[in-house]
Amino acid sequence: EIVLTQSPGTLSLSPGERATLSCRASQRMSSAYLAWYQQKPGQAPRLLISGALDRPPGIPDRFSARGSGTDFTLTIARLEPEDFAVYYCQQYGTSWTFGQGTKVEIK
Amino acid sequence: QVQLMQSGAEVKKPGASVKVSCKASGYTFTSHYIHWVRQAPGQGLEWVAIINPSGGSPSYAQNFQGRITVTRDTSTNTIYMEVSRLTSEDTAVYYCAREAKISSAYSPFDYWGQGTLVTVSS
Repeated sequence: EIVLTQSPGTLSLSPGERATLSCRASQRMSSAYLAWYQQKPGQAPRLLISGALDRPPGIPDRFSARGSGTDFTLTIARLEPEDFAVYYCQQYGTSWTFGQGTKVEIK
Repeated sequence: QVQLMQSGAEVKKPGASVKVSCKASGYTFTSHYIHWVRQAPGQGLEWVAIINPSGGSPSYAQNFQGRITVTRDTSTNTIYMEVSRLTSEDTAVYYCAREAKISSAYSPFDYWGQGTLVTVSS
């Protein structure tokens, strides 16, 4: 099983700042099989970006993802008030697993 | 528009079973695999199972082997997940989610149900 470890657990930032979230895989994998989701309290996760499909319609271009091998990153270029949420990475190349999440909170 | 509509919250006693439904609409039901994902209170996401609505056997996470059964009803475009021998550790929100790519089990989940809270308590 591929284990995904996200860091940091919590990121405290102000609106307008840049957020960088990390996702490390326990073994090498293709970025084509990695996705990022956003979840707000009381809501289902929402697909933000993936190697397979890039950004779905309606997802702003301030969200970007990169990485290879075992290290992957989600970047939010300039935080908007609606971006404060929990973010999960997911791999779907070998079964399906999620990271434990990174909470982006208002500083 | 694509929608996955799940059944309502359930409260069950330890040892009982629960069956949660996920009704799909707005797309061709048999074209996209459906997953179940659960989230315990305050915790992260855990993959549970996958089913191909067009046929074939479901696949389950190792942790749930023997306790979970996922089925399909193509006449009503509905996927069911039944969990047996419930314990307090099964208390969670259970989500159904759709694979983005047609006839693929290797793509992200582009649509999610609203979630069903299952509470296991004596």
